[in-house]
Amino acid sequence: RKEVEQDPGPFNVPEGATVAFNCTYSNSASQSFFWYRQDCRKEPKLLMSVYSSGNEDGRFTAQLNRASQYISLLIRDSKLSDSATYLCVVNKGEGTYKYIFGTGTRLKVLA
Amino acid sequence: DAGVIQSPRHEVTEMGQEVTLRCKPISGHDYLFWYRQTMMRGLELLIYFNNNVPIDDSGMPEDRFSAKMPNASFSTLKIQPSEPRDSAVYFCASSQPGPLVYEQYFGPGTRLTVT
Repeated sequence: RKEVEQDPGPFNVPEGATVAFNCTYSNSASQSFFWYRQDCRKEPKLLMSVYSSGNEDGRFTAQLNRASQYISLLIRDSKLSDSATYLCVVNKGEGTYKYIFGTGTRLKVLA
Repeated sequence: DAGVIQSPRHEVTEMGQEVTLRCKPISGHDYLFWYRQTMMRGLELLIYFNNNVPIDDSGMPEDRFSAKMPNASFSTLKIQPSEPRDSAVYFCASSQPGPLVYEQYFGPGTRLTVT
């Protein structure tokens, strides 16, 4: 089983739609969770951290479910500019800065 | 403020040749990470440094790969000899100490092709 698993997609959604991605992780000792965004042929960039209580940043909402070991990302009112690959990132365990990246979920927002 | 700088941006080389990738982290960042990205395996951590010291190199695929960080503003990743399966995009990332250590700033990457 992969340490971090994501549905590769692509998720094709119309502008204005709401879309959600899930990511599962295998290491119960993981403490830190993030979503990164990667545009085609560009470097990854941090989108948002994921906190235990859930957190929101504008149109983006991230949630963590420790019991089931998954994190989610919800995007409301999708924009064309949201088209990208979204990478789920989990740290290897407590006290380590070794981060495991998922292979990403590709999102295409259609006009 | 300049971001993470990587060179070269593209490298095409023949199997068996030595390849050296270079990275300049953001000033003040004392964590430096080397990643490799392929379609099949995604983004894999190869090695990371803290204050120029290698902390975890368990992701380095084999002895053909080596990384150094002689000072706070420069790191190299060397592959010798290179093989076609090393073809990938290699990213360097840095992060600052303290509570924001988790926010990694990636360079633009080096696209390596080994023929």
